[in-house]
Amino acid sequence: DAGVTQSPTHLIKTRGQQVTLRCSPKSGHDTVSWYQQALGQGPQFIFQYYEEEERQRGNFPDRFSGHQFPNYSSELNVNALLLGDSALYLCASSLLRGSGYTFGSGTRLTVV
Amino acid sequence: AQSVTQLDSQVPVFEEAPVELRCNYSSSVSVYLFWYVQYPNQGLQLLLKYLSGSTLVESINGFEAEFNKSQTSFHLRKPSVHISDTAEYFCAVSGGGATNKLIFGTGTLLAVQP
Repeated sequence: DAGVTQSPTHLIKTRGQQVTLRCSPKSGHDTVSWYQQALGQGPQFIFQYYEEEERQRGNFPDRFSGHQFPNYSSELNVNALLLGDSALYLCASSLLRGSGYTFGSGTRLTVV
Repeated sequence: AQSVTQLDSQVPVFEEAPVELRCNYSSSVSVYLFWYVQYPNQGLQLLLKYLSGSTLVESINGFEAEFNKSQTSFHLRKPSVHISDTAEYFCAVSGGGATNKLIFGTGTLLAVQP
């Protein structure tokens, strides 16, 4: 049974560009959450998707947007990249009414 | 609002010695509590969690944590550490149910020395 799959594992972008990160949740999970982990910090909640809608959002600007597809997979989009967006982006899947979260290995984004 | 405090950014310890990683939380509602471990260049792995019931929870690799509601703490302990336990450990809190986002602490690096 595959866990959470994220792609790509690494990528480098130039300031001002746009990026899309992808996540496939664990089989049976219906909710996807995204977290940003800056170097040396704990993960920070970006937003959560359920039934293809954004349910909760953390303190992130509108440059960060997402999408959930009917098969529960999800994308995180970041526009107008800033140097400060460099981080490890983690996807976590769960059941909406559950208490267990499964994390992917993350996408390391470097903005130069 | 919920928050998590991990006061120790780094805990050096010799192999086979006991260790405690401290975690305090703040919340106005009932909480679920978690410890996650992160090895270099990897994602987060769940170590153990407290949802309800017994306040002492254990992991399969010898770690345990005790939920103390009066002190709002969820400290992680292991009686004898191994070199392979070297990693970053994150404490997290969740409100559970429909508000189940995780709030993480800043992490504690457990550095086990031979």
